[in-house]
Amino acid sequence: GAVVSQHPSRVICKSGTSVKIECRSLDFQATTMFWYRQFPKKSLMLMATSNEGSKATYEQGVEKDKFLINHASLTLSTLTVTSAHPEDSSFYICSARDRQGGVSNEKLFFGSGTQLSVL
Amino acid sequence: GEDVEQSLFLSVREGDSSVINCTYTDSSSTYLYWYKQEPGAGLQLLTYIFSNMDMKQDQRLTVLLNKKDKHLSLRIADTQTGDSAIYFCAESYNFNKFYFGSGTKLNVKP
Repeated sequence: GAVVSQHPSRVICKSGTSVKIECRSLDFQATTMFWYRQFPKKSLMLMATSNEGSKATYEQGVEKDKFLINHASLTLSTLTVTSAHPEDSSFYICSARDRQGGVSNEKLFFGSGTQLSVL
Repeated sequence: GEDVEQSLFLSVREGDSSVINCTYTDSSSTYLYWYKQEPGAGLQLLTYIFSNMDMKQDQRLTVLLNKKDKHLSLRIADTQTGDSAIYFCAESYNFNKFYFGSGTKLNVKP
């Protein structure tokens, strides 16, 4: 199956600093990547949809200036949590949709997640 | 977003069958999915079903879809301790967005 690599897997940072999370599709091209946030014992909350070469589409209630998303290539999307605060501590998961032969595939593959802890 | 609901917990004995249920509200869903999440990890796609199908079987996994009642289930035959995880159902309309349920934590007792 398709592999999505997410890095780092765990990060601890001080309040006020920025943290960048990378999401790479290793063996396929992904025109669309999704960023989710997962709270303990809760479902995944879609934060934004990232399309290669264009601006990300944010879900209602998600601050785009707080969570910067860049999808610079067909294999890489990054999420930067700017001026992180303790309430931003969470498990962040990226996912990518396989693009085969120019036609979007129905399957969604996930990275292994990043546990962010803001002190 | 669309509502996707699941029961939170299920406990079974090793060797028994597990049935995890899911209900959704969006009648225009194109695909419905089951994902598995192990502790501290991302989600692994287990199986999925197109909305015009009633059933799909893949080895120990059987997916049943009742489109009229908007009910999806995942049956795991001969459940093993390695199946212990959180299972998420999800729906998608034309792959643009995926909406997930809250997850069902499956506990398999030896």
